[in-house]
Amino acid sequence: QKEVEQDPGPLSVPEGAIVSLNCTYSNSAFQYFMWYRQYSRKGPELLMYTYSSGNKEDGRFTAQVDKSSKYISLFIRDSQPSDSATYLCAMRYSGNTPLVFGKGTRLSVIA
Amino acid sequence: GAVVSQHPSRVICKSGTSVKIECRSLDFQATTMFWYRQFPKQSLMLMATSNEGSKATYEQGVEKDKFLINHASLTLSTLTVTSAHPEDSSFYICSARETGHGSGANVLTFGAGSRLTVL
Repeated sequence: QKEVEQDPGPLSVPEGAIVSLNCTYSNSAFQYFMWYRQYSRKGPELLMYTYSSGNKEDGRFTAQVDKSSKYISLFIRDSQPSDSATYLCAMRYSGNTPLVFGKGTRLSVIA
Repeated sequence: GAVVSQHPSRVICKSGTSVKIECRSLDFQATTMFWYRQFPKQSLMLMATSNEGSKATYEQGVEKDKFLINHASLTLSTLTVTSAHPEDSSFYICSARETGHGSGANVLTFGAGSRLTVL
């Protein structure tokens, strides 16, 4: 079993829809959880960062972490064509440890 | 915000040659930088952790003699792909964490990536 599982999609939704992206993980030692957005042929850019369980909201984006279920989610409200990208979940242990990434979910928002 | 510059963004080389990719933190210092490789439609796979002033730490399966990493200053890390072969063609991305941030955050800033094509 991989450390981080993420459905690669592709996921296609109409403009204005609510998008739900998810990752599961196997190691309960992960403490820091992030979502990155990556446009084609570009480096990832940080969208959301969450420590431990809970919710975090930033504009149209909401990140949720459920450590008991080892499950994290990213919700995008009122999705826009400009949200079309690959969304990568990432997580890490405490200390100066590198990130472990999911495979990424490719999202297309159709106008 | 923090910016990481990566150069070149695209390089094409002949098989057997060496290619150097630079990663610079433009407005912050980074004692640690990470090098990732990403194949098409795949996730980012960590290759190595670059530590300023010391040897890099390589992930299992990554040849340290093939992928030379040098982190000579707090703002620059380089990755040299030696004797490149077509199977080394990939998207190489570096990332850095600003020195001084608590170890809890580790919010990495990524470079824009370097696409290497080996003919």
